[in-house]
Amino acid sequence: QKEVEQNSGPLSVPEGAIASLNCTYSDRGSQSFFWYRQYSGKSPELIMFIYSNGDKEDGRFTAQLNKASQYVSLLIRDSQPSDSATYLCAVDLNTNAGKSTFGDGTTLTVKP
Amino acid sequence: DAEITQSPRHKITETGRQVTLACHQTWNHNNMFWYRQDLGHGLRLIHYSYGVQDTNKGEVSDGYSVSRSNTEDLPLTLESAASSQTSVYFCASSDWTGANNEQFFGPGTRLTVL
Repeated sequence: QKEVEQNSGPLSVPEGAIASLNCTYSDRGSQSFFWYRQYSGKSPELIMFIYSNGDKEDGRFTAQLNKASQYVSLLIRDSQPSDSATYLCAVDLNTNAGKSTFGDGTTLTVKP
Repeated sequence: DAEITQSPRHKITETGRQVTLACHQTWNHNNMFWYRQDLGHGLRLIHYSYGVQDTNKGEVSDGYSVSRSNTEDLPLTLESAASSQTSVYFCASSDWTGANNEQFFGPGTRLTVL
């Protein structure tokens, strides 16, 4: 079992729809969770960080964390073609490690 | 503005040659990381460093080495390049301040080993 697993995708949604990306992790000791966006041919960039159970909202993006079920999700509301990218979930085992384990990514395409 | 740079951006080399990829950051971050990215595998950690003179192996460290002589640089060396090391390499840095270990990535180096 991989330490961090994401929906293999690709995921395609129409413009204006909600895109839902899911990530599960194996280590219950994990403390911090990140979503990075990576455009084709570019480097990853952080879009969301969450460490407490529940929801965290930032503009059209919402991260949801459920430590009991060991999953973290990313919702993108009112999806735009510019959201088309690969989304990487990353998990830190604990805050003292300073080291993230990445999932394989989910590629999202938003169709106009 | 602070940044993280990598050089070269593209490299073609032959099997058996030693190759060094440079990574330089001006964030003054203590943590630095090297990843490789292949189709279907996301980012896999090669080596990382928490500070000067500190280096640690990641999950795919065989055939790679790093050294950290100052805060700004973490060069990655392929001792004897193999075709299996053809990949895109990303360097990253972070300034761990508790829970948020956001990593800042360089632009990447595309390495081809023939």
